[in-house]
Amino acid sequence: AQRVTQPEKLLSVFKGAPVELKCNYSYSGSPELFWYVQYSRQRLQLLLRHISRESIKGFTADLNKGETSFHLKKPFAQEEDSAMYYCALSALSGYALNFGKGTSLLVTP
Amino acid sequence: DAGVIQSPRHEVTEMGQEVTLRCKPISGHDYLFWYRQTMMRGLELLIYFNNNVPIDDSGMPEDRFSAKMPNASFSTLKIQPSEPRDSAVYFCASRLSGGAPHNEQFFGPGTRLTVL
Repeated sequence: AQRVTQPEKLLSVFKGAPVELKCNYSYSGSPELFWYVQYSRQRLQLLLRHISRESIKGFTADLNKGETSFHLKKPFAQEEDSAMYYCALSALSGYALNFGKGTSLLVTP
Repeated sequence: DAGVIQSPRHEVTEMGQEVTLRCKPISGHDYLFWYRQTMMRGLELLIYFNNNVPIDDSGMPEDRFSAKMPNASFSTLKIQPSEPRDSAVYFCASRLSGGAPHNEQFFGPGTRLTVL
């Protein structure tokens, strides 16, 4: 069975501080991991995917298969990063996404 | 392209009434997904279609929920009869088949359903 766990419902940091949003998963096969973000009054949109090994808006995420984690990190948080962040998993050959419950990030000045 | 289109954006109805939510996927996308978002359970996959055929409906909560995709550009999610616990935001998403970079799902704005 697939499961995605985001242990923090709410994370509050000061502007300029480092931020890490945790994501752990359980899946017996080879997963694809994603981070989606939902800014206030906007649609849910893809932030980054592990396959691309990219940095988007200063965010990075590394897939750690040993720890079954895909934590999202940014060295210096900005106020515009305040949003709801969802970690999601799909089977490598699958199409449906299994989402975590989300973490609300609040960056205060 | 306007992206995934959903209607209505807001729906308020009374318990026992039939509710129909509508979705138009991005043109050319062959996968369509319906999700439900609540505070308690987060984002849950209800059902998804490939080339208009339902592939997995195991997330549909009960028989009161049904979904159809009569053609490649239109899908409906129907709740009959509706209950207060169905109150949630319902999202539709679509994507292309294939791996990256096609494996991104594009979401609609959602329909906020309130059942009184």
